[in-house]
Parts: sequence; C-alpha cells; structure tokens
Amino acid sequence: DGGITQSPKYLFRKEGQNVTLSCEQNLNHDAMYWYRQDPGQGLRLIYYSQIVNDFQKGDIAEGYSVSREKKESFPLTVTSAQKNPTAFYLCASRGRENSNQPQHFGDGTRLSIL
Amino acid sequence: AQSVTQLDSHVSVSEGTPVLLRCNYSSSYSPSLFWYVQHPNKGLQLLLKYTSAATLVKGINGFEAEFKKSETSFHLTKPSAHMSDAAEYFCVVSEFTGRRALTFGSGTRLQVQP
Repeated sequence: DGGITQSPKYLFRKEGQNVTLSCEQNLNHDAMYWYRQDPGQGLRLIYYSQIVNDFQKGDIAEGYSVSREKKESFPLTVTSAQKNPTAFYLCASRGRENSNQPQHFGDGTRLSIL
Repeated sequence: AQSVTQLDSHVSVSEGTPVLLRCNYSSSYSPSLFWYVQHPNKGLQLLLKYTSAATLVKGINGFEAEFKKSETSFHLTKPSAHMSDAAEYFCVVSEFTGRRALTFGSGTRLQVQP
C-alpha cells in the first residue's frame, strides 16, 4: 500500500545537538510538507517543497532546515538554533501544490528535549 | 487570502446522539474544502472533501458535510456518535492560486460520553 513513513516515532535531542527527522513517501507525489503541532494547537507549516531540488519557507522556518534531493524523501533537520523544539512533527504530501487534491499524512515524530 | 475558522474548540456529545462540528471559511476563489480527523499521537486522516461537485459530501465512518456558499460554511455532521469518534477534527481550505494553497483551522476536540 502507498503511504508516508516517518521515522523515528520518538526522538530525543540533547542541548546543542542537531537532529534529523525522516519522511519518505511512495505515492509519487510532487509536493511535500513539514508541520509542527503543539499541544492543543493546530498545524503550523515549517517548510514545503513543490518539486525536487526546490523548497520554500513556511510560517515558522527559523531553526529548521530541509532538503529535497529525491522525489520520495523530504528530511527535516531541527538545528540547535531552534530553542523550543519539543513538539509533534507531521510530514505530508500531495500530488501537486496548486490543485484541489488533499494532503496525505504520516504518523508523526514526537521530539523531546533531554 | 483564504482563512478558516472552527467555531468550537471543544464539543462534547453522548454516544448515539448527533454530532455537529462547525467550520466557516473565507476565500477569494472557489475553494476546495476538507475535513481531517486526528487520533492521539497519530497523523491526520482524510474524512471527506468538497471540490465543487455535489454540495453534500459523504465521507468515511458515517460523516458528511454540506458546502453552503451563501453562509461560507462547511459544517461536519454525523447522525449518531460512536465512542471511537472521539478525536481532534480539522477543517482545511484550499485555493488553486497563491504561494501556499492550504490553510488549516485550529481544530475541534470531540469528546463522546458513554
């Protein structure tokens, strides 16, 4: 079955450390997204990519970085510059950006600080 | 610019009674609209979508929503709540144009009492 796989499910970060969250999709989708979700809040867009080798900042990109070297993969790095990284991170994809297609979501990665 | 407002942050119903989750939107164009459900520590699952076909949209698990352009609303309903419906629900609006086409509501937490 096609879908989106996020790993790991739980991740712990030490002070001053960069960590990378994995997102892989086998849906042949062009567009991919990273969201951050804090308790009791909606989703905030961190970065999105409409096509391979291209990505744009969302609403809260500071302290995060991404790459899109392959269509299937859109990893998110939480850098030490992100002072409050504890959150639930969701990856999503859809066929293409400017369309009426819905997004498909992974099951998320919960990041905590040691 | 598009926006979406979920009018209730929390809704509590008894099992077997109707569910109504309210969503109002603002859009400069003919939008597409979606409802998603999120269970704890999970990603978002698509419940239903409106893409300018029939105004009454049927989704999974007995949910449906009606697009009312005159009221700019897209409320989610279900005739009879089940305990497994307890979750967070998100209304999403999408336009074809713009730098980023998807906007999420802040979510409604549905509680189902036995």
